[in-house]
Amino acid sequence: EPEVTQTPSHQVTQMGQEVILRCVPISNHLYFYWYRQILGQKVEFLVSFYNNEISEKSEIFDDQFSVERPDGSNFTLKIRSTKLEDSAMYFCASTDRPRTDTQYFGPGTRLTVL
Amino acid sequence: AQKITQTQPGMFVQEKEAVTLDCTYDTSDPSYGLFWYKQPSSGEMIFLIYQGSYDQQNATEGRYSLNFQKARKSANLVISASQLGDSAMYFCAMRHNDMRFGAGTRLTVKP
Repeated sequence: EPEVTQTPSHQVTQMGQEVILRCVPISNHLYFYWYRQILGQKVEFLVSFYNNEISEKSEIFDDQFSVERPDGSNFTLKIRSTKLEDSAMYFCASTDRPRTDTQYFGPGTRLTVL
Repeated sequence: AQKITQTQPGMFVQEKEAVTLDCTYDTSDPSYGLFWYKQPSSGEMIFLIYQGSYDQQNATEGRYSLNFQKARKSANLVISASQLGDSAMYFCAMRHNDMRFGAGTRLTVKP
């Protein structure tokens, strides 16, 4: 069964450093998403991406964040200058129909900012 | 604005019994999707069940069913014949454009 994959599973970084979280969505999906879950809290929407551009973003997704689809398979989230409060689990998700179809989540990347 | 509310931070159920996890939502858009995800202690998000706002029948997937009451804006998850492996966090979510999640309910199944 096709699945969303994410690398790395755990990333540790120093405050102020840049990190890139990688996702490989399900191959025939066209809509991609990033979510964040701070430990013990609910999952929060960050950004949606379609046709090589951002379709929607939340108030969390400020200028330190960017997304990119550098090739036909990868979908990345870059955090330019990490802060302690960026420590969270980051989930990538994809779907082939944005409104009614299920979003399939990757296993997540746990980001720890020291 | 969209809003998802899960009022039960924690629930306990005896193994083999049924349990209902509550979810209410608020939206002004007539077209939306409602989802339940399970998050075990390992952290991944596992899709369980989906209900479209125009679906006439309640969704069912194996031991999971969704009690959809559109007028009351509720989408409760019913798990029948609970198993020890059902112990996890359960999140209700609604999608209009993006996906908004509730705060979650931690379900503990007791042997």
